[in-house]
Formats: sequence, structure tokens, C-alpha cells
Amino acid sequence: DAGVIQSPRHEVTEMGQEVTLRCKLISGHNSLFWYRQTMMRGLELLIYFNNNVPIDDSGMPEDRFSAKMPNASFSTLKIQPSEPRDSAVYFCASSLPGAQAFFGQGTRLTVV
Amino acid sequence: SQQGEEDPQALSIQEGENATMNCSYKTSINNLQWYRQNSGRGLVHLILIRSNEREKHSGRLRVTLDTSKKSSSLLITASRAADTASYFCATTEGTGTASKLTFGTGTRLQVTL
Repeated sequence: DAGVIQSPRHEVTEMGQEVTLRCKLISGHNSLFWYRQTMMRGLELLIYFNNNVPIDDSGMPEDRFSAKMPNASFSTLKIQPSEPRDSAVYFCASSLPGAQAFFGQGTRLTVV
Repeated sequence: SQQGEEDPQALSIQEGENATMNCSYKTSINNLQWYRQNSGRGLVHLILIRSNEREKHSGRLRVTLDTSKKSSSLLITASRAADTASYFCATTEGTGTASKLTFGTGTRLQVTL
């Protein structure tokens, strides 16, 4: 397995544009986590899924953020409309329940 | 929000010395994990300790867990320059098959030659 794969690796967009981040889980994993990392706030849990169902989205900062799992191996995190304060590195990670998590390489988002 | 806070925020030592990082958390947990992050990269899992365990070893790593104090420590013995990275503790909480994984604030370790 190639591990958790995120795309794109880098994204630069203008304020107000829609941004979609993508994540492919490791085959067989049924827990999926989305995190945002900034210098100011560290590594924040945005939302996590179990068996394709969102369990806790209390970390999603605003209604501009949404996440989906259309199938067991794929997830998207969408920001619409994007704002400069959304600039951060976004990570997804997958795991078996309660076990170690495997992280993707992250998407560095810059909103100008 | 973050579950854990780590201490110190930054640590600078010389190669060969031991490095100790501490983590405190707030709620009941299923297990506690430590991860490492090199600059600009994703996090890599180092070690997992269950809530009913008190100590665990893996190579040069030693982890302790005190659930009564809601704290854990990570000891890296005989440090190397390649150990330079940020280290995070993460707690797993939840019932059934859905487990929430929340990270602490991290410790930046610098190992100099």
C-alpha cells in the first residue's frame, strides 16, 4: 500500500475561491481524521469519520468548511469561500479504531 | 481544541544526551501515542501505550503513563542529530469502534553535534 495520499501537495488560491482537498485512505482502515496545522494553533482536529460516517465535527471552524466520505477509501475537505486565515497545512490520517494513525504528507494551502 | 499540553515547548541538547518530553492531558483515554514530525512533513507514529500500561520501550524510546496524574513522558536515550524534530503526544478517547485522536502542542527537539 502506498500509504495515505493527499492531493494537491500545494494550493495557492485567491480569497473567495472554492478549495477542495483530497485524501485517499490506506486500504482496510475505517477511521479518517482531518487536521489543520498552523504555528499559532498547532495541530487541530477538524473532523473524524468512522466507517464513512462523521462522528465529531466540532473542530470545523465555520460553515465554510465541509468534509465528506463518498466511499470507504476517499475523503474530501472543502472550503467555500476561502479566506486568508484559512492558510495552513491540512493533514488527513487514517487508522484502524484506536490504533496508530498513518498521516499523509499534507496540503499546504495559501489563500491570498 | 487540543487535549494535551507538552513541556517543554522547545529543548536543545547535545548528541549523546538523553531527551525527556512530558505530556499532560485532560480526559479519560483509551491509549496515548507519541508521534514525530520533521519540518514540512507528515507525522510518523513512534509508540503507543495503553491506559492499563505504565511503561513501554521501543529501541531508544521509553514511554511512561500515569493515568492518575493524566500525564506521560517520552525519553529518548543517547540522542542523535537525526532525532531533531517535533514530538507530539496524542490521546485516543471514545467508546465502541469510533476513537477520537487528539494531539498536544508538541515539543521541538534540537540535537546538536
